[in-house]
Amino acid sequence: AQSVAQPEDQVNVAEGNPLTVKCTYSVSGNPYLFWYVQYPNRGLQFLLKYITGDNLVKGSYGFEAEFNKSQTSFHLKKPSALVSDSALYFCAVRDHHSNYQLIWGAGTKLIIKP
Amino acid sequence: EADIYQTPRYLVIGTGKKITLECSQTMGHDKMYWYQQDPGMELHLIHYSYGVNSTEKGDLSSESTVSRIRTEHFPLTLESARPSHTSQYLCASSESGELFFGEGSRLTVL
Repeated sequence: AQSVAQPEDQVNVAEGNPLTVKCTYSVSGNPYLFWYVQYPNRGLQFLLKYITGDNLVKGSYGFEAEFNKSQTSFHLKKPSALVSDSALYFCAVRDHHSNYQLIWGAGTKLIIKP
Repeated sequence: EADIYQTPRYLVIGTGKKITLECSQTMGHDKMYWYQQDPGMELHLIHYSYGVNSTEKGDLSSESTVSRIRTEHFPLTLESARPSHTSQYLCASSESGELFFGEGSRLTVL
């Protein structure tokens, strides 16, 4: 069965430190992978995606993610965290054979402390 | 900037009332979706559409209904609201890749 796991409910990072939000997936074919961010009382905003090509994908707001096929992971990273990065982050996956539905992770709350 | 709009943003109503949550997009996307999300929790797909006159139920059972008479418009209706319907409802659209989300409609049923 297709699934997405975000193993951490919450990640705490000091401002200026690097951050990582973890995501692992299980799909039957080659995956399309996505990261979204949700600020309080707002809809979700697209951050970045991996379809094919370079395993390191750069996205909005200085975020990047690395696709690792052997570990079936797509961790979100940022070299230097900002307090304004505090939000809820969702990982999602779609395989090539699905009917365009995304499988969503449960979300990870990222808290950046000054 | 995504052009997908939801109204109302916030709604407080009494039990038994009929409500319609509006969702419109100006991007010409064929695919549209409704998700239900409790605060800070995961998203649950309740309805989707692949084009005009196409609607399907999602993974989460919902007492709501949807219609897709025009490409740009995908309203969600609750015939008789109950407190268990209290939640945030997110509308999204896509072409072939990423989803574009509206700001959400937060519904409270008293």
